[in-house]
Amino acid sequence: EAGVVQSPRYKIIEKKQPVAFWCNPISGHNTLYWYRQNLGQGPELLIRYENEEAVDDSQLPKDRFSAERLKGVDSTLKIQPAELGDSAVYLCASSFLTGERKAFFGQGTRLTVV
Amino acid sequence: QQQVKQSPQSLIVQKGGIPIINCAYENTAFDYFPWYQQFPGKGPALLIAIRPDVSEKKEGRFTISFNKSAKQFSLHIMDSQPGDSATYFCAAGRGNQFYFGTGTSLTVIP
Repeated sequence: EAGVVQSPRYKIIEKKQPVAFWCNPISGHNTLYWYRQNLGQGPELLIRYENEEAVDDSQLPKDRFSAERLKGVDSTLKIQPAELGDSAVYLCASSFLTGERKAFFGQGTRLTVV
Repeated sequence: QQQVKQSPQSLIVQKGGIPIINCAYENTAFDYFPWYQQFPGKGPALLIAIRPDVSEKKEGRFTISFNKSAKQFSLHIMDSQPGDSATYFCAAGRGNQFYFGTGTSLTVIP
């Protein structure tokens, strides 16, 4: 069974440029998470979807970050414009909505803003 | 506000030793406490998880000890191996909302 798939694996952009990350969750998983992981830190939740609905986006910097999960399957996270402080690994995870709440992570996208 | 506090930040043990990583939480509504293992360049992978109605759970060489009254839980790795060298994160949450600790970098020396 395929795991959580993220692309691209690496991205280097200049500040003020836009960037987008894509995530395809495990088939059947209703819940999708986007996390940001700074170097030497634990993942911090940016947004959580239950099916198509964003149910927790309190930590998403809405002035520059946006996300969508059309059709309740794959998702895109966008940053526009990017700032130097956005350099981090962006992780996508998915889980079932009920029952077992095991969250499975993708390999992440390492973003470097120069 | 750090929902989950994790210690130590780093740990070095000899092969065969039993590293112990500790976490503490404040929110008594939390009802799910997973541990994740992360290798460089990889996403975190679920290792083992516990619910607050039990005090201990074992899976292979990994054991979680849970103290509900103290709001603390810990990970023990029995007979540690060099392949266990990784960063370990505890997490705590309720429903599908989780908060992660800051991670412990474990090095197992052959």
